[in-house]
Amino acid sequence: NAGVTQTPKFRVLKTGQSMTLLCAQDMNHEYMYWYRQDPGMGLRLIHYSVGEGTTAKGEVPDGYNVSRLKKQNFLLGLESAAPSQTSVYFCASSRTSGRGVEQFFGPGTRLTVL
Amino acid sequence: DAKTTQPTSMDCAEGRAANLPCNHSTISGNEYVYWYRQIHSQGPQYIIHGLKNNETNEMASLIITEDRKSSTLILPHATLRDTAVYYCIVGGATNKLIFGTGTLLAVQP
Repeated sequence: NAGVTQTPKFRVLKTGQSMTLLCAQDMNHEYMYWYRQDPGMGLRLIHYSVGEGTTAKGEVPDGYNVSRLKKQNFLLGLESAAPSQTSVYFCASSRTSGRGVEQFFGPGTRLTVL
Repeated sequence: DAKTTQPTSMDCAEGRAANLPCNHSTISGNEYVYWYRQIHSQGPQYIIHGLKNNETNEMASLIITEDRKSSTLILPHATLRDTAVYYCIVGGATNKLIFGTGTLLAVQP
């Protein structure tokens, strides 16, 4: 199993450009998440999804949109990139459980907005 | 979600046990304590989690106090590869994790 994969690994954008980050998981997990991590800080939740066709806002959703058209994929979109969105983006997935679950993280996408 | 307090950094000698403390005094009855670590810009890696009882797996042990207001992650025999930022997180049934800044554990040879 590949686990959680993210595409692309690196990207440089100019202010105002748009892009989509792709997250894919092959573990048949119901839950998927997008986080961002700025230098010297912990991860912050952007959006998450509890199942195919559903999404919800996290801590820092402004400036981002997401879609979960297929269970195995979770897309993060930036419609008009800003320098404040320069960050490392991590995707994660987990199964559902009422007894605490483990999140599996991807390797990250390093985005620079000039 | 409850917040956690961890020391900014800790050192540990290679081969010795590393004991990483965490305070979570506002934890709710249905919230779990999770530990993750992040090795140099990689994606975070799950270590262990628990609700009330102490837990042990192949990576570590988790000791939770009886009042659940604090916990300790124990790496029994630290190696250089255990140098990482360790995050203590409390979370509930929604599975949303609120990451703090964690503890930077430096394992010294």
